[in-house]
Amino acid sequence: GENVEQHPSTLSVQEGDSAVIKCTYSDSASNYFPWYKQELGKRPQLIIDIRSNVGEKKDQRIAVTLNKTAKHFSLHITETQPEDSAVYFCAASTGSGGGADGLTFGKGTHLIIQP
Amino acid sequence: GAVVSQHPSWVICKSGTSVKIECRSLDFQATTMFWYRQFPKQSLMLMATSNEGSKATYEQGVEKDKFLINHASLTLSTLTVTSAHPEDSSFYICSARDLLAGGLLEQYFGPGTRLTVT
Repeated sequence: GENVEQHPSTLSVQEGDSAVIKCTYSDSASNYFPWYKQELGKRPQLIIDIRSNVGEKKDQRIAVTLNKTAKHFSLHITETQPEDSAVYFCAASTGSGGGADGLTFGKGTHLIIQP
Repeated sequence: GAVVSQHPSWVICKSGTSVKIECRSLDFQATTMFWYRQFPKQSLMLMATSNEGSKATYEQGVEKDKFLINHASLTLSTLTVTSAHPEDSSFYICSARDLLAGGLLEQYFGPGTRLTVT
């Protein structure tokens, strides 16, 4: 089955700086890669996702890059703000228009924004 | 739109009893729902895929006789933890995908159910 590795487990950055979280996956059939933000005791919130036919996607301060050959994808957050502090999870699945497999999650990154 | 609810939000039960958790898609239909478990300070682990009108598919290592899943309609899936033990204490989260989403693969997560077995 799929295995998703995520690094680092904890990341502390100064407010206003950029943060980068990296993930690798093992199953070359995976084609959907979402990133989630989870606050304590809450549901995961989708912040950005990318499909395997795209190399990069950006939404305001958040961007995701995907390297299919190397089987890794990264989350980039620029101009970090205190409210960005949370646990971030990457995930992977195989999906198609007719259905989707469940998600395999990385172990998570605790992002701490220092004021 | 795309709201998923879970009930109850938290439950305490005695060891050996069973507890049922409901997952509902409120404003869309879902032929497939997923159940995840999250232990404190850990990641989400897929337990099973719930398919409307058919048997659930369980991940390796998840006991199907202990975690009973029923997906009787396009908007409701239930997870019953049978003969619960303290080690079953966890945060159980469901997700659903919109049947009519076409090429979109986003899964919508419920708010989770905190289960404590005493």
